[in-house]
Amino acid sequence: GEDVEQSLFLSVREGDSSVINCTYTDSSSTYLYWYKQEPGAGLQLLTYIFSNMDMKQDQRLTVLLNKKDKHLSLRIADTQTGDSAIYFCAETSSDKIIFGKGTRLHILP
Amino acid sequence: EAGVTQSPTHLIKTRGQQATLRCSPISGHTSVYWYQQALGLGLQFLLWYDEGEERNRGNFPPRFSGRQFPNYSSELNVNALELEDSALYLCASSFEAGGSYNEQFFGPGTRLTVL
Repeated sequence: GEDVEQSLFLSVREGDSSVINCTYTDSSSTYLYWYKQEPGAGLQLLTYIFSNMDMKQDQRLTVLLNKKDKHLSLRIADTQTGDSAIYFCAETSSDKIIFGKGTRLHILP
Repeated sequence: EAGVTQSPTHLIKTRGQQATLRCSPISGHTSVYWYQQALGLGLQFLLWYDEGEERNRGNFPPRFSGRQFPNYSSELNVNALELEDSALYLCASSFEAGGSYNEQFFGPGTRLTVL
């Protein structure tokens, strides 16, 4: 199939790390992305990783890519209330871009 | 630089009617994508236009159609509206079309409600 799979919900305490996981479908995908959708808004690109990389770090964000298992994860360190959003993973391959259904991150006080 | 704009912001229709949604991409972007975001169903890909042509289509019935104009703006038409078409419709644009790095820039969406 052509589904990008993500868990639908994640609850994390403020200050803890959040880890959002995704499995993608096409081993020839060249770029993998994480988008963030805040309430009432469209999606915004958060970060991306090129397929020949294993890891990318950008401030509080760490992206890990396991090409063998087609597994992508997004780690948010020191999770804040402003991180509350829906996170979508997406892959680009050949002539299409496929989004997952999104993981809703809920921050507990 | 203006972002992706969509109109209208909200649209209320009744079953069986037709809806037309509009999108203006970022200046210089040639690709426009349409997505449906229905409650509980996540983001579902609808249509992809590039340089005026339909490049790809998601798993939606033919009553969902669209077009891209010479200025790269786009319309999404939904005919014979059904209650389950109620959703947020997001438009995105990008500079590169597929394969390579393809950051999509999203508009705020049109909220379609079918009564």
